Amino acid sequence: GESVGLHLPTLSVQEGDNSIINCAYSNSASDYFIWYKQESGKGPQFIIDIRSNMDKRQGQRVTVLLNKTVKHLSLQIAATQPGDSAVYFCAELLNAGNMLTFGGGTRLMVKP
Amino acid sequence: DTGVSQNPRHKITKRGQNVTFRCDPISEHNRLYWYRQTLGQGPEFLTYFQNEAQLEKSRLLSDRFSAERPKGSFSTLEIQRTEQGDSAMYLCASSFEYGEAFFGQGTRLTVV
Repeated sequence: GESVGLHLPTLSVQEGDNSIINCAYSNSASDYFIWYKQESGKGPQFIIDIRSNMDKRQGQRVTVLLNKTVKHLSLQIAATQPGDSAVYFCAELLNAGNMLTFGGGTRLMVKP
Repeated sequence: DTGVSQNPRHKITKRGQNVTFRCDPISEHNRLYWYRQTLGQGPEFLTYFQNEAQLEKSRLLSDRFSAERPKGSFSTLEIQRTEQGDSAMYLCASSFEYGEAFFGQGTRLTVV
């Protein structure tokens, strides 16, 4: 399959370790944020979302943290597995619009 | 319903030809989005529909690009007089009015 994001920032972690992927968003008016995972040759897959009235949300093995003061999102993956290897994108949605705007993405590589 | 479906998965066309891609959204979703993704980048918003109404099209890349959703179900994206710079992955997504967008697998366009 085709590689997505050949020149993206890369985070390399050992299997079993925790991963933290960071994202800076651009618009202070954004009120909804989503993390997507994209594997080679596939479309983005929804992981977790958070609204601006929250600062933390947990899912299965994933946690998203939102810091509105510095316009920063992070995705934490616990006990990273080889199947987590992919490109991760954060996306923001402006209340006044209906257009998800994506960040540049981070490639996560999990070493066995 | 198995999710958002896009056809074809791959399209190779000669420069100057017209191409049309189809997207079948998740049936309950009233919103449908088109994005374009080039290597190393996050998806770039093109246009979206709410039911059959195209509510945002200012981000379409040129007047060679057009999209339709005639009955508020499936959608088509057409590119006329293709250029080599149009080579990219074209992604479709659908959602409820307020909620996460689910993406299809994309159509990979190569213009030769």
